[in-house]
Amino acid sequence: NAGVIQTPRHKVTGKGQEATLWCEPISGHSAVFWYRQTIVQGLEFLTYFRNQAPIDDSGMPKERFSAQMPNQSHSTLKIQSTQPQDSAVYLCASSLTTGKNTLYFGAGTRLSVL
Amino acid sequence: GDSVTQKQGQVTLSEDDFLFINCTYSTTTYPTLLWYVQYLGQGPQLLLKVTTANNKGISRGFEATYDKGTTSFHLQKASVQESDSAVYFCALVETGSFNKLTFGAGTRLAVCP
Repeated sequence: NAGVIQTPRHKVTGKGQEATLWCEPISGHSAVFWYRQTIVQGLEFLTYFRNQAPIDDSGMPKERFSAQMPNQSHSTLKIQSTQPQDSAVYLCASSLTTGKNTLYFGAGTRLSVL
Repeated sequence: GDSVTQKQGQVTLSEDDFLFINCTYSTTTYPTLLWYVQYLGQGPQLLLKVTTANNKGISRGFEATYDKGTTSFHLQKASVQESDSAVYFCALVETGSFNKLTFGAGTRLAVCP
């Protein structure tokens, strides 16, 4: 079991460019969560999917951020027109869908917007 | 909404010292309470979890007791080691939510040999 895999580990973009972050959940896990981690704000919930359906995107900024889960094996977080304030570590986590199960986090993608 | 408070931003100890990290929560019901640990360069990983009020969670020498009277879930360890150096997050599963976690600000533990 390789755990949750996030690629790339580091991404550097220029202001105004697009960034796409990838997450491969643990095999058999049907729930995928995205969090953002910064020194100032800590760990912030962004969105989550259950059985590929978007369930709660209450933490997603209304503009420029979008997330998808086209199949059971991966999810993407896309940030359009990146801004310096988007610089953060983006964490993906997965879990089983039965009961209140443990969230398993990936190592994260560190996004730096210059 | 639900919230978790960790007031200690940084704790510095020597090996074999006693560890206490404060955590309080605010919610309208009895949530599931958790402690996650994040080592440098890694994502957070579950340290322990308690689902029932007044129960205790124990893992790897760490323990935390769910106290609904004081709405607290403090983390303790009798004797820390240098390898325990990490950031510790208290968290709860939001009321009525499937596994959606609300985290505290985190406490960075540095253990000196």
